[in-house]
Amino acid sequence: DAGVTQSPTHLIKTRGQQVTLRCSPKSGHDTVSWYQQALGQGPQFIFQYYEEEERQRGNFPDRFSGHQFPNYSSELNVNALLLGDSALYLCASSGPRTGTYEQYFGPGTRLTVT
Amino acid sequence: DAKTTQPTSMDCAEGRAANLPCNHSTISGNEYVYWYRQIHSQGPQYIIHGLKNNETNEMASLIITEDRKSSTLILPHATLRDTAVYYCIVRTSNDYKLSFGAGTTVTVRA
Repeated sequence: DAGVTQSPTHLIKTRGQQVTLRCSPKSGHDTVSWYQQALGQGPQFIFQYYEEEERQRGNFPDRFSGHQFPNYSSELNVNALLLGDSALYLCASSGPRTGTYEQYFGPGTRLTVT
Repeated sequence: DAKTTQPTSMDCAEGRAANLPCNHSTISGNEYVYWYRQIHSQGPQYIIHGLKNNETNEMASLIITEDRKSSTLILPHATLRDTAVYYCIVRTSNDYKLSFGAGTTVTVRA
């Protein structure tokens, strides 16, 4: 049973560029959340997708957007990259059996903005 | 706004119990206490959660004080693989996000 998978593992972008990160939830899960983790800090909630809609959003600018597909996979898009967007981006999934209390996290995508 | 307070770091001897404290003095009646941990270079991992009763699973035990203002996560027999950052989080059942603080860096020493 595959867990949460994310791609790519690492990537390097230049300021002003746009980036798309991808996430496949754990089998049986229908809800995907995205988090940003700066070096030395705890993860910060970006948003959550359920039934292809953004259900809850954290304190992030509109440059951060997302999408959920019918197969429950999700994308995180970040436009007009800033140096401060350099971080580990984590995807977490949950489902009907786990409810909202247990979120399964993927290994993350390390984004470096130069 | 931080809802929990945890020590920055703590050490534990391998094979001994590790007791991780967490203060949540402003917790509301409908807020649960959750514990996650993050091993280096991995995503966070769910450990346990509780409302007011003590809870135990295969990973750990959660002891919540009667006034619910603090709790302790107990790893009964710490191993080197338990070295991680441990996060104590409070949230209601209808709040979809997890609000992570800085956590406690636990180092298990041989």
